[in-house]
Amino acid sequence: DAGVIQSPRHEVTEMGQEVTLRCKPISGHNSLFWYRQTMMRGLELLIYFNNNVPIDDSGMPEDRFSAKMPNASFSTLKIQPSEPRDSAVYFCASISGTGINEQFFGPGTRLTVL
Amino acid sequence: AQSVAQPEDQVNVAEGNPLTVKCTYSVSGNPYLFWYVQYPNRGLQFLLKYITGDNLVKGSYGFEAEFNKSQTSFHLKKPSALVSDSALYFCALGGGYNKLIFGAGTRLAVHP
Repeated sequence: DAGVIQSPRHEVTEMGQEVTLRCKPISGHNSLFWYRQTMMRGLELLIYFNNNVPIDDSGMPEDRFSAKMPNASFSTLKIQPSEPRDSAVYFCASISGTGINEQFFGPGTRLTVL
Repeated sequence: AQSVAQPEDQVNVAEGNPLTVKCTYSVSGNPYLFWYVQYPNRGLQFLLKYITGDNLVKGSYGFEAEFNKSQTSFHLKKPSALVSDSALYFCALGGGYNKLIFGAGTRLAVHP
């Protein structure tokens, strides 16, 4: 299994630009989580989906952030417009919803907004 | 409210010595507890979990964790540290939909 796949691995953009981060969960996993990690705030849960439906987006910092999961094998996190304070590493994780299981994390996308 | 605390920002250990990374939790009901490790420029990797049963849980890379209900703790341990164990360690509390509440992380530095 290829694990959770995230793209791009690195993104450098200018303030005001739209940024789209992508995630492909492990096949058969039915829950997907988006996290943000910074030195100052640590690891923050932004939003999570169960069976492609957003369950809790209370961690999304502002309306500039949006996430979608159009099908079981793909999710996006979009920032529009981006700001320098959005610079962070964004992780996607997936999990099988049967029982108490561990989340599998992708390698992350390092976003730098200039 | 559910919460996880990792009281130490950093733990320093000499190679070959035992290590302990501390974690305490707060939850109503039975806890589901996890440890993850993060190496530089990598995603988090699962080490071990406690759901029920034996209070001593064994995991990957020789790590184990001891669940203590009376002290609401779930400390990570290893009998003999390796330099390659140096990383960032996260304790997490499981919730509905397998959501995880993470602690702030503890940086483990193992010195030769």
